[in-house]
This record gives sequence, C-alpha cells and structure tokens, in this order.
Amino acid sequence: GNSVTQMEGPVTLSEEAFLTINCTYTATGYPSLFWYVQYPGEGLQLLLKATKADDKGSNKGFEATYRKETTSFHLEKGSVQVSDSAVYFCALTPENTGNQFYFGTGTSLTVIP
Amino acid sequence: DAMVIQNPRYQVTQFGKPVTLSCSQTLNHNVMYWYQQKSSQAPKLLFHYYDKDFNNEADTPDNFQSRRPNTSFCFLDIRSPGLGDAAMYLCATQRGLDYEQYFGPGTRLTVT
Repeated sequence: GNSVTQMEGPVTLSEEAFLTINCTYTATGYPSLFWYVQYPGEGLQLLLKATKADDKGSNKGFEATYRKETTSFHLEKGSVQVSDSAVYFCALTPENTGNQFYFGTGTSLTVIP
Repeated sequence: DAMVIQNPRYQVTQFGKPVTLSCSQTLNHNVMYWYQQKSSQAPKLLFHYYDKDFNNEADTPDNFQSRRPNTSFCFLDIRSPGLGDAAMYLCATQRGLDYEQYFGPGTRLTVT
C-alpha cells in the first residue's frame, strides 16, 4: 500500500541552525511528493512539491529532492528562523491518482532565538 | 483573505448528539475533502467530492456523512458522536486532480 514515514519530533533548533526532516515513502510507480506546513492556529499550506524523480522542490529557503532510489524526500533548510516554527507534513499522491493524499504524522519544529 | 473557511473553529457536543461541521470556499474549486486528524497522527481522509460526485473511503464509519449542496459549501455530519470521534476535522479544496490542496484552519471537536 501507500504510506509516508517521517521522523518523529519534536525538533528544537537554535536560530540559523541547519534543518533536516527525514521523509521516506512507500508507493508503486512514481508518486508526487509534497511538504505541507501548519503554523499554529492555521490550516496546512503547501510548502513545496516534486512530481518526478530527481526533481527538487524549493520555497522560502526550504528544499527537498525526490530520490526514487532511496524512496525519500527529505526537507532541508540551511538557516532556520524563529518564524519557521511549525508542524511539517510530508505527503504523497500515488501515480495517476491526484485526489488520494497520504500524509505522514507530522514533525513539530521549534526554533529558539 | 480566507479562502477555505471552517465553522465553528471549536465545537463541543455530547455523546450521541448529532453535530454538523461546515466548510466553505471562495476558490470555486471542483474538489472538496474532509479529513480527520487525531492528536499526533496524520490527517486521515474520510471522503471527498469531485463536483457532485461523492467518494467515500472504504474505512470511513457509517456514522460520518457529508453533503455538498453547491460548489462553495460542504458539510460533515456526525450522526452519533462517540468519544473516539474527538479530533480536528480538516476541510480542503482542490482545483482539479494533480493540483495542490488548500486547507482550512480546522474544527476541533470535543465529545463529552
């Protein structure tokens, strides 16, 4: 079946530290991969996405590369800010099924000044 | 400007008392979804509409129903809430397949 596994949190970092949140997936073929972010009191927002192998999604300084060989889509940011504190969700849609979203359990990030 | 609106943000209901959660959108998107998210768990898809076509997930309990009277509105009805139904309920919209989903802020349901 289809599933997403992401690293458990919570993660606490100092401002300007390097961030990695691991995400691996199980799916047949070539799913589309997403990172969503949920700020306190708000809904999930799309952060970035990649739709084919070796694609790199990027937004607001965050990056993630679609690695088919390792079935991974790790989220990275070189220098986090306090405003990046949120919960991050990795998700996939299986190939040719754009309305079936599978989410990971979320990773809570807190950035301290 | 809010694009996906959920009301109320917090809902308390009694065990067994029917409750309705509301979602509206200003995006004119074809697809609308309802997810259930329990604490520290991934959002779980309950059902979705593609226009008026209703699609129920196989493991969604019969206790959960949905209505979409028009493009803008979608409702989640829980006919007889149990304690295990306490969760955050998320509404999302999508312009069509293969597009991103836009989420509302969620309604947190408490069952007493």
